[in-house]
Amino acid sequence: QVQLQESGPGLVKPSETLSLTCTVSGGSMNNYYWGWIRQPPGKGLEWIGYIYSTGHTNYNPSLRSRVTISLDTSKNQFSLKLSSVTAADTAVYFCARAPSTAVAIAVDAFDIWDLGTMVAVS
Amino acid sequence: DTVMTQSPLSLTVTPGEPASISCRSSQSLLHSNGYNYLGWYLQKPGQSPQVLIYLSSTRASGVPDRFSGSGSGTDFTLKISRVEAEDVGVYYCMQTLHTPLTFGGGTKVEIK
Repeated sequence: QVQLQESGPGLVKPSETLSLTCTVSGGSMNNYYWGWIRQPPGKGLEWIGYIYSTGHTNYNPSLRSRVTISLDTSKNQFSLKLSSVTAADTAVYFCARAPSTAVAIAVDAFDIWDLGTMVAVS
Repeated sequence: DTVMTQSPLSLTVTPGEPASISCRSSQSLLHSNGYNYLGWYLQKPGQSPQVLIYLSSTRASGVPDRFSGSGSGTDFTLKISRVEAEDVGVYYCMQTLHTPLTFGGGTKVEIK
């Protein structure tokens, strides 16, 4: 049974870089998309971006200039870096897996999520 | 961006009664491959979202058959045939066809 677990600091200073890593256990990273989604306190969900197991990435244009998602399949991990953070980046950050019936067209859905990590910018 | 509009914003349901949530997208989610890239998620209080339905009408593994999804193009519906107490939470629709992927604003379901 595939499980995801995040690691990273819960507090980041303004203008610095937020870094989170998601470790995948119980399965392979191959042939899946791996994504990041965030949720500001009391608000809805915002997609940040995803990476395919080959390394292809797709980012939210509103964050593209500040976001990098990478993966290390040898460690079964993928990571998020968000630079120049402000208070508006304060949120619960989720990592999630997304299968695709038609790879390179779209992901089907995010079917496995981690518990989420609260990151405050202050 | 593809705007996802959910209705109603909230719903109070008697256990055993049906419930329905609507989701409309500002662009078609139907790809030429025949799939509608629309999913439904439930975020229970204090938990991460869990997928209920994907590709408009496919129930995710382990999801009770009282949940069903329908729709095509820009209009989609999630139906719960008989609401149970464990179904409380916020329901989100999400489109995965157009970048950026976008979520609806959520529908809060409470039990009467």
